[in-house]
Amino acid sequence: KNQVEQSPQSLIILEGKNCTLQCNYTVSPFSNLRWYKQDTGRGPVSLTIMTFSENTKSNGRYTATLDADTKQSSLHITASQLSDSASYICVVGDRGSTLGRLYFGRGTQLTVWP
Amino acid sequence: EADIYQTPRYLVIGTGKKITLECSQTMGHDKMYWYQQDPGMELHLIHYSYGVNSTEKGDLSSESTVSRIRTEHFPLTLESARPSHTSQYLCASSPPNGTGELFFGEGSRLTVL
Repeated sequence: KNQVEQSPQSLIILEGKNCTLQCNYTVSPFSNLRWYKQDTGRGPVSLTIMTFSENTKSNGRYTATLDADTKQSSLHITASQLSDSASYICVVGDRGSTLGRLYFGRGTQLTVWP
Repeated sequence: EADIYQTPRYLVIGTGKKITLECSQTMGHDKMYWYQQDPGMELHLIHYSYGVNSTEKGDLSSESTVSRIRTEHFPLTLESARPSHTSQYLCASSPPNGTGELFFGEGSRLTVL
């Protein structure tokens, strides 16, 4: 069964600290892995997209890694800011159909305290 | 910032009412999607469209219907709303080429009393 599991479910850190969010997946055949940031009451916004051949991609203070062998990804946030408080969603796409079906994780709720 | 718009942002209605959630994008994207999201849960695809006059049901069964008469417009309709339809509805679009990156609207929060 194709699944995307994220951990931790929630995380609280102090402003300025770093943190790492985890994503494990069982989706096969794998096509791409995406990380989205979703502020409360808003739509998700794309942070990174990685294909099978990429093992790291950065977007400012956000760095995503991908290990396609172990089917794991992480999102590292450096020097956290209050505006980083949001839900971070891991999404894995397959290539088993023309649609390229997407499998969504439930997200990690990050809270950054001053 | 993505040019995809949803209205209304918030809607509270009584059971049995007909509602239409609007979604418009100005990016010329051919693919559009409707997702349903409950608090703390993953997004579920309920409808998608590959272009004008093309609509398909998604993974999650939904009593809603959609239409795609124009490329930029993808409205979702509930003929008779029920409390079980209370949820967040997210519209998204993606361009014809590239990695299929999704651009989401801000969402429509529907509450049915």
